[in-house]
Amino acid sequence: DSGVTQTPKHLITATGQRVTLRCSPRSGDLSVYWYQQSLDQGLQFLIQYYNGEERAKGNILERFSAQQFPDLHSELNLSSLELGDSALYFCASSPTGENTGELFFGEGSRLTVL
Amino acid sequence: AQTVTQSQPEMSVQEAETVTLSCTYDTSESDYYLFWYKQPPSRQMILVIRQEAYKQQNATENRFSVNFQKAAKSFSLKISDSQLGDAAMYFCAYRSALYGKLTFGQGTILTVHP
Repeated sequence: DSGVTQTPKHLITATGQRVTLRCSPRSGDLSVYWYQQSLDQGLQFLIQYYNGEERAKGNILERFSAQQFPDLHSELNLSSLELGDSALYFCASSPTGENTGELFFGEGSRLTVL
Repeated sequence: AQTVTQSQPEMSVQEAETVTLSCTYDTSESDYYLFWYKQPPSRQMILVIRQEAYKQQNATENRFSVNFQKAAKSFSLKISDSQLGDAAMYFCAYRSALYGKLTFGQGTILTVHP
């Protein structure tokens, strides 16, 4: 158990819909990262938040948005969903006083768009 | 921007034998971290081994070891005495010592034959 919690684990929805994925980082971790893994693909970095502020942005579509709340949990919002958005979405967090460089991953949220 | 390349989409090994997975990366930084992550069919991301670039000694974790060649920007993973449970997708990843995101390679699917 990495200590990072993601909900829901599975989600099935239709094209054109909007969904919200939730992530609770490890206790005390200020940084949250979102990644997308499409079928049999590598992990693509979407966005990073640090203590409520956007820190870095990767290949995130304009239809997607994210935020980090004062309690440090984060949400990834996906709207106007397309078939190609079907993927596994990972959240990860990293310690504030880093000394290992490691990111801790949640178990992912599997999104299926029909 | 940093890039990570895994040139072996698939590898196979006999149980109890040794296999080496290759990874190269490109960076202009001198201080960074390198990782190997394992992703079994459950899709969970599991850290296998970690290497700090400033350390010349190659990291070892039980049956897993790396060959880190900083000048060549090469970071291979050797799995000794392969077990059926080692079958998974393996990802090589890079992270700057300034922290921020992990950059992943495309992954290598490892099959272990009994």
